[in-house]
Amino acid sequence: EIVLTQSPATLSLSPGERATLSCRASQSVSTYLAWYQLKPGQAPRLLIYNASNRATGIPVRFSGSGSGTDFALTISSLEPEDFAVYYCQHRFNWPEAFGPGTKVEVK
Amino acid sequence: QVQLVQSGAEVKKPGASVKISCKASGYTFTKYGITWVRQAPGQGLEWMGWISPYNGYTYSAQKIKGRVTLTTDTSTTTAYMELRSLTSDDTALYFCARDDSSTWTDYWGQGTLVTVSS
Repeated sequence: EIVLTQSPATLSLSPGERATLSCRASQSVSTYLAWYQLKPGQAPRLLIYNASNRATGIPVRFSGSGSGTDFALTISSLEPEDFAVYYCQHRFNWPEAFGPGTKVEVK
Repeated sequence: QVQLVQSGAEVKKPGASVKISCKASGYTFTKYGITWVRQAPGQGLEWMGWISPYNGYTYSAQKIKGRVTLTTDTSTTTAYMELRSLTSDDTALYFCARDDSSTWTDYWGQGTLVTVSS
């Protein structure tokens, strides 16, 4: 099974700052990687799929990059509503899996 | 508009079973898969499994494979997730999501809280 690790576990930033989140796969997942935002009590929100494609309605400040085993989610300028937990997920093969998450908190 | 509406919260005793429904509307049900994901309190997201409403093909996570059954009813455009032999570790918020190979899980249900407690 492919295992995803995310770093850092917590990112403390101020609104307006740039956030860079990392996701690493235990083996290549090509570009079969997505990023989600999760807030308490809400459903996950798909941000990025196939490593770099923004989902419908997602602001341009969110961007994804990477292929193979190393991926990044960048939020160019944090808005107040962006403080949340972010998960990466692969679907290179079954079983699909999520990473452990990165919490973006207000500094 | 696309909507996935899940059944309400459940409280179950250890050893019992739970069956959650996910009613889909606003799209052709058989053209998209349904993925199930859960989040235990204070924990991350856990992928549970996937089903094709078109042909009924399923794949479930190894951790729960012997305890979970994913089904769909195309006549009512509803997906179901049944989990048996519940333990406290199954206490979680359960989500269904529309799944497309091109655009991934773009629409989600509101979540169903399952509490397992004696």
